[in-house]
Formats: sequence, C-alpha cells, structure tokens
Amino acid sequence: KNQVEQSPQSLIILEGKNCTLQCNYTVSPFSNLRWYKQDTGRGPVSLTIMTFSENTKSNGRYTATLDADTKQSSLHITASQLSDSASYICVVPQRANNLFFGTGTRLTVIP
Amino acid sequence: DGGITQSPKYLFRKEGQNVTLSCEQNLNHDAMYWYRQDPGQGLRLIYYSQIVNDFQKGDIAEGYSVSREKKESFPLTVTSAQKNPTAFYLCASGTGSGKGTEAFFGQGTRLTVV
Repeated sequence: KNQVEQSPQSLIILEGKNCTLQCNYTVSPFSNLRWYKQDTGRGPVSLTIMTFSENTKSNGRYTATLDADTKQSSLHITASQLSDSASYICVVPQRANNLFFGTGTRLTVIP
Repeated sequence: DGGITQSPKYLFRKEGQNVTLSCEQNLNHDAMYWYRQDPGQGLRLIYYSQIVNDFQKGDIAEGYSVSREKKESFPLTVTSAQKNPTAFYLCASGTGSGKGTEAFFGQGTRLTVV
C-alpha cells in the first residue's frame, strides 16, 4: 500500500534547540519528496524538494536528508526559533497526478 | 499570478444546512485534493480528482460530495450528513514529472457550525 508516515505526531522543544522530524514512505515508483511548512490557519508552503539522487539539501536552518534505500527522509531544524512553530508535512508523488501526503508533525517551540 | 484560491476564508453554517467550499486553480494541474484538518491533527483526505469529470473518495468521504466539471475547479460540498463538520479545510492541486513535481495548497477555509 502506498503511504507516507510522519513521526512524531507532535513535538515541543525549547527555543534554540535542534530537532529532527521523520518521514517514511512506501510510495512506488519514487521520484521525489517534498517538505512543507504550515503555519496555523494557513496553507502549507514548500520548504525543499529531494530527488532520488540527492542525499542532503539545506535551506537556511532547515536540512533535509533522503535515504532512498530505506525510504526515509528527515527534516532537521537547527537553532529553533519561535517562528518555527508550525506543522511540517511530507509529500511524495507516485506519478504525475497522484500525490501522497503525510499527516504532518506539529512542532511547538517554547521560549 | 498562478496559484490556488480557496473561498471563503471563514464560513459559518447552521446545523442541517449544506455548504459549498470553493477551490480554483490556474496552474493547469490535473490533480486536485481536499483535506480536512482538525485542531492539533494532521491532514485527512476527503476526496481527490486526477482528471476532469473523475474523482475518488479519500479516507473520510462520508458526508461530503465533490464535482470536477472543469479542470480549474474542484468544489467541496459539506452536507448535513456530516456529523462533525467544524474544521479547517485545505484544497491542493498537484502535478508531477521528475523534479518538477509540486503540490500547491490553498490558504484554507475554516468552517464553523453554529
């Protein structure tokens, strides 16, 4: 069954600390994976896209990794800020018009 | 500018009434999706459409209906049969071809039953 699972479901960390969010997928065939950030009450916006040949990609304090062999991706946030509080969603397309969405990880950064 | 638009942003409905949420995209995407999000919870798939005049039920389709008469539009009707309709509803459209795969989200509609 094609699906995308994210963990943890929710996470609370202190400001300035690092954290890692996980995304495991069983979608096949695989071409790429994208991480989105969703602020409360807003639509998600894209953070980064990982293709089959990429292992690591950084976008500021966000670093995504991909292990295509184990079908796992992680999103690492460094030196967290209060504005990082949001839901983070992993999306994996199966083919052109079939996208699989994870249920997201709710991150709360506290001062 | 190209994008996906949901309207209205906030919607109030009396119990027993049907209500329709709008989702329009000018990205020329074939695929469109409707998700429901409850407070502190993840996205749950209601319906999706991969092509005009065709749509499929998602995980929580009961109490909802959709239509896809035009490529640009994928309206969601929340019927009176939906027992707990108060939620945040997100529409998405997608296309995928190699590195260019992308999912665009609308800004959401918050539905409240009063």
